[in-house]
Amino acid sequence: QVQLQESGPGLVKPSETLSLTCTISGGSISFYYWTWIRQPPGKGLEWIGYIYYSGTTNYNPSLKSRVTISVDTSKNQFSLKLSSVTAADTAVYYCARHEDYSHYFDPWGQGTLVTVSS
Amino acid sequence: DIVMTQSPDSLAVSLGERATINCKSSQSVLSSSTNRNYLAWYQQKPGQPPKLLIYWASTRESGVPDRFSGSGSGTDFTLTISSLQAEDVAIYYCQQYYNLPLTFGGGTKVEIK
Repeated sequence: QVQLQESGPGLVKPSETLSLTCTISGGSISFYYWTWIRQPPGKGLEWIGYIYYSGTTNYNPSLKSRVTISVDTSKNQFSLKLSSVTAADTAVYYCARHEDYSHYFDPWGQGTLVTVSS
Repeated sequence: DIVMTQSPDSLAVSLGERATINCKSSQSVLSSSTNRNYLAWYQQKPGQPPKLLIYWASTRESGVPDRFSGSGSGTDFTLTISSLQAEDVAIYYCQQYYNLPLTFGGGTKVEIK
């Protein structure tokens, strides 16, 4: 059974770059799409962007200028970088999997809270 | 972007009674080529990630109890819990995957009356 686990700093300073990694276990990163989604405390879900295992990416236009998603197939991992963060970027960040013809998400990681504060 | 609007924001239902959640998309999510509605439903309990319940608007994910059902087409969709159980207390989200960017509804909180 595929499991996803997010990792990275829980506290980031304003104007710096948020960096998170999602590690996939119990399955291969190949032939799937891998996505980042965030949820500010007490609020709804926002799709950040996805990467195909081959490296093709697509980002939410609302974040596109600040987002980079990359993949390391040798480590069965993919990563998120979000630059120039502000307090508005404080959220639980989830990674999730989806398929080529159907971009609904399953499974999800447990999520990691990233707080932007000085 | 396709805007997903859920209603109500919250509802309280007695145990064993029916709960109905609505989701409306700002444009159709029905594909003419596949004849499928690109709409999913998730359940999120406190401190947990969302869990996929329904995809293609009405296909129940494996292991999801059959008291959960999805219906609708085009722009109007419904998630129904036929007989509410205590473990169904959660926030429910719809999501369209017809167009990028992928977008979610604002969520509906289901509580016990």
